[in-house]
Order: sequence, then structure tokens, then C-alpha cells
Amino acid sequence: AQRVTQPEKLLSVFKGAPVELKCNYSYSGSPELFWYVQYSRQRLQLLLRHISRESIKGFTADLNKGETSFHLKKPFAQEEDSAMYYCALYGGSQGNLIFGKGTKLSVKP
Amino acid sequence: NAGVMQNPRHLVRRRGQEARLRCSPMKGHSHVYWYRQLPEEGLKFMVYLQKENIIDESGMPKERFSAEFPKEGPSILRIQQVVRGDSAAYFCASSPYGDEQFFGPGTRLTVL
Repeated sequence: AQRVTQPEKLLSVFKGAPVELKCNYSYSGSPELFWYVQYSRQRLQLLLRHISRESIKGFTADLNKGETSFHLKKPFAQEEDSAMYYCALYGGSQGNLIFGKGTKLSVKP
Repeated sequence: NAGVMQNPRHLVRRRGQEARLRCSPMKGHSHVYWYRQLPEEGLKFMVYLQKENIIDESGMPKERFSAEFPKEGPSILRIQQVVRGDSAAYFCASSPYGDEQFFGPGTRLTVL
């Protein structure tokens, strides 16, 4: 079954500390993975996708097929990074996204 | 481009009433997706539509729920005879090619 697991509901770090939001997936084919972010009172927006291999707002995520993981990392967290983060898996031919339950990141000053 | 629009943003219904949620995709986008988010849960796929066609409704409850995306006008998610368990945030997303999805602000449905 296709599934995305984000084991942490809440992650709290201090400003300037490294942050890693975990995401594991289950998918039989070649996965296409995304991280979406939702800032307070704003809509869900795409943060990054693994096929583009780019860094957005200092965040990076590497697809590890051996560990079936797509963890989101940032070396130095900022207060404005505080938000809900959702890992999502592209459902393939049907076009739908499969979301994890989300991790709330809180960056304290 | 104003982005994906959803209305109403908040909707309150009593049990047994009908709820109609509207989604206007971004200009030029012909693919629309509906997702539901229950409290403490991630977004769950409901239905995928292209203009005048339902492509995948595997996530839709079998009864009371329906969706359409007419040739003209917004996509509509319709819930008949609402029950308390239908209380959730309903998100619409649109896509130009069925790839990257752009999300609306959501409609928060409360069933009393």
C-alpha cells in the first residue's frame, strides 16, 4: 500500500540549530516526493520536490531509496521557519498526492 | 493570477442539510483535486476531475458525496445530508498538467 509516515507531530528547536523533519514512504514503483509547507493563516504551498534537487529557503531533502526516506533538513533554523510541514507522495497515474499527517515545526528565539 | 479560490471559507450546517463547496482553479488549469483533512490528520485525497470528467473518485465516500467540474464555472463538492463526521477542512488543488498542484485556502465545514 502507498503510505507516507511522518513520525513526529511536533518538533521544537532553537533558532540557529539544525533541523530534520522525518518522512518515510511506502511505494512499489519509482516514487516522486514533495514537501509542502503551511505557514500560519496561509495556504499549503510547495516547498520542494525531489526531482528538482534544489534548495529552497535553505531546506534540502534527499531521496534515500534504500531507507525509503525523504527527510527535510536545514542547517540553521530561523523563527520564520515555524510552520506545518507535510511530506507527500505522488500517486502516479491517478494524479493524487498521498500526504503524511504533518509535523509542526516550532523555532524558538 | 489570483491563485486557487475556494468559497465559502467557513460553512456551518446542521445535520441533514446539504453542503456545497466551490473551487475556482487557477487560470489555465484544467485538473482539479479535492482533499479532506480531519483534525490531527493529513490531507486525504477524495476526487480528481478534469473539465466535465471525473478521472478518479476512489477517495470519495460511496454515499452522500459528489463532485463535478463543469465546462463553465467552478468545481463543486457536494455533501448531502451532512453528519457530524463530515466536519473537516476541505482543500481544493489545481494543476495545469496533472503534475504540480496548487492549493486553495480551504473550506472549513462545521456540522452542528
